[in-house]
Amino acid sequence: AQSVTQLDSQVPVFEEAPVELRCNYSSSVSVYLFWYVQYPNQGLQLLLKYLSGSTLVKGINGFEAEFNKSQTSFHLRKPSVHISDTAEYFCAVTNNNAGNMLTFGGGTRLMVKP
Amino acid sequence: DTAVSQTPKYLVTQMGNDKSIKCEQNLGHDTMYWYKQDSKKFLKIMFSYNNKELIINETVPNRFSPKSPDKAHLNLHINSLELGDSAVYFCASSQNPSGSSGNTIYFGEGSWLTVV
Repeated sequence: AQSVTQLDSQVPVFEEAPVELRCNYSSSVSVYLFWYVQYPNQGLQLLLKYLSGSTLVKGINGFEAEFNKSQTSFHLRKPSVHISDTAEYFCAVTNNNAGNMLTFGGGTRLMVKP
Repeated sequence: DTAVSQTPKYLVTQMGNDKSIKCEQNLGHDTMYWYKQDSKKFLKIMFSYNNKELIINETVPNRFSPKSPDKAHLNLHINSLELGDSAVYFCASSQNPSGSSGNTIYFGEGSWLTVV
């Protein structure tokens, strides 16, 4: 079985400040990890994903995430946020034994304030 | 061109009605999904089809019936709608099952279903 925990349901931050959205996963096998963003009233868009190799993954819109196997974490970071980054962010996990199953965390609402 | 398109985007209907949500993908993918997002934004898979065959059927009431006429389409039909069915339903697709080499799942814009 696999699971994902996003530790913060809401993260308020001022514009141009750095941000980190936390994600921890649980799985007994090697995993593939994803971050998706959902803007208000829209679908989910892939920000980045980790499959293998370098543990630092760069995505779109200036986001990056670091895979840490020992801490079973995949935290998302951005050095300087914009108002337009206000959205819901979802961490997700799957593995080769999971078939079609992509398991999502509960989401973190990033609120960027001017 | 929208990669995964679903219609309608908004649907308000009365309890007891039967409704369908249509989904089409133009990405040439073999695998399609339906996810449900509840009022707390929690996302959970409902169904997954690979080449028109049902692969995953999570614990979903049998009032929900997916239909895949071809691998580019996966429609969701819901019978006898209940208040608790109100949610956002997302159609999605991937080249192969997501768990196979970590294939990216592409999502549609969502269908907001409100049962009154």
